Amino acid sequence: QKEVEQNSGPLSVPEGAIASLNCTYSDRGSQSFFWYRQYSGKSPELIMSIYSNGDKEDGRFTAQLNKASQYVSLLIRDSQPSDSATYLCAVKPGSQGNLIFGKGTKLSVKP
Amino acid sequence: EAGVAQSPRYKIIEKRQSVAFWCNPISGHATLYWYQQILGQGPKLLIQFQNNGVVDDSQLPKDRFSAERLKGVDSTLKIQPAKLEDSAVYLCASSSREGTTDTQYFGPGTRLTVL
Repeated sequence: QKEVEQNSGPLSVPEGAIASLNCTYSDRGSQSFFWYRQYSGKSPELIMSIYSNGDKEDGRFTAQLNKASQYVSLLIRDSQPSDSATYLCAVKPGSQGNLIFGKGTKLSVKP
Repeated sequence: EAGVAQSPRYKIIEKRQSVAFWCNPISGHATLYWYQQILGQGPKLLIQFQNNGVVDDSQLPKDRFSAERLKGVDSTLKIQPAKLEDSAVYLCASSSREGTTDTQYFGPGTRLTVL
C-alpha cells in the first residue's frame, strides 16, 4: 500500500513567520511531488511541484525534496492570514501512476 | 480559459437512492479524473479516463459506482444505491496528457450528503 503521510495539524504560526509543512511517502520509486492548497469548502489548487532533490523556490514558497529520506516539505515565508488553508501533499509513484494524496495539514496564520 | 465545470454543487439523498454527477473538463484535456474526498482526508482517485477509455478504476467500488465518458469530453459518475459512507465531496479534475507531469486542474466539486 503506497502511502503519503502528513501531520494533520493544525499548525498555527504568527503573521510574518515561516510556516514549515512536512510530508513523507512510502514508495521509494516516486518521481513527482506536488503541494496543493485547499481553502475550506473549495477544491485543491496546485501551488508547487518538484521532481529533483533539493530546493525549488517560487515567490514566498519553497519546496524541498530529499528522495533518500523519502521526505518533501513546503516552506512559506512571510506567512499571511490568506495562507490559512489545508495543504495537501501529493505523490506520483513512477511515471505512469496516479496521484496519491496525504490527509493534509491545516495551517492557521494569526494576524 | 474556462475551468473544470461540475454539477450539481450540492446533493442530499436518502440511503439506497441513486445519484449522478456531471463533469465537463477544460477544453482539449484528454485525461479526466474522478476523486472522492471524505471530510478530513485527501482526495482519493476513483477512476481515470484517457479520452473515452478507462485507464485506472482499481479503487472504484464497482458494485455501486459507475462512470462513463462516452464522447471523450464530459463525464458522468453514478452511485446506485448510495450508502451513508458515500457522503463526501466528489471532485473532477482534468489534465492535458496522461503519464506526464502535467498539472491536474480541479473542478469545484459536488458535496454529497447521504441521510
